Amino acid sequence: EIQMTQSPSSVSASVGDTVTITCRASQDINKYLAWFQQKPGKAPKSLIYGGSNLQSGVPSKFSGSGSGTEFTLTISSLQPEDFATYHCQQYYSYPWTFGQGTRVEVK
Amino acid sequence: DVQLVESGGALVQPGGSVRLSCAASGFTFTSYGYSWVRQAPGKGLEWVSGISVSGGNKFYADSVKGRFTISRDISKNMVFLQMDSLRAGDTAIYYCAKEEVTEVGAFNYYYKYMDVWGIGTTVTVSS
Repeated sequence: EIQMTQSPSSVSASVGDTVTITCRASQDINKYLAWFQQKPGKAPKSLIYGGSNLQSGVPSKFSGSGSGTEFTLTISSLQPEDFATYHCQQYYSYPWTFGQGTRVEVK
Repeated sequence: DVQLVESGGALVQPGGSVRLSCAASGFTFTSYGYSWVRQAPGKGLEWVSGISVSGGNKFYADSVKGRFTISRDISKNMVFLQMDSLRAGDTAIYYCAKEEVTEVGAFNYYYKYMDVWGIGTTVTVSS
């Protein structure tokens, strides 16, 4: 089973800030990584797939990069609606696995 | 609108069973695979099970293998998760997700990600 590790577990930021979240895989997963946003009491929402491809309808303030074992999600110009928990997930091999999540909270 | 709606969540005693349903609408049901993902209270996401586009391949997390069974009914555009021998650790919100194929790799391996999610249904295992 591939282990996914996100850092940090939480980050405090202000409106207008840029935030970067890192996701590391325990083995090479090529580009097969997705990012999801989840707000309290809501279902996850797809943001990025293939490490860097934006899901249709997702604003370009979200960007993803990386391949192999290290990936990043960058959120620029944070707005109130962006404060949420972000999850990474590998779909390179079964069982699919998630990182533990990163909570982006208001400073 | 593309939509997935889960149902069937319940309060169940340890050792009991429950069948979750996921109704799909707004797209061609038979063109996609589906997954179930769960989230225990205050915890992260855990992928539970998946079924391929053809319905012929089924995948499970080790934590549920032998206890849970995924299936689908193409006449009803529905996906199911039969959950048996339930334990307290199975308590969670269960989400159904549609899988979008991004690439076909070697040996016809389909790389897919979960692009649309339902709102979830809650299963509580407690005596």
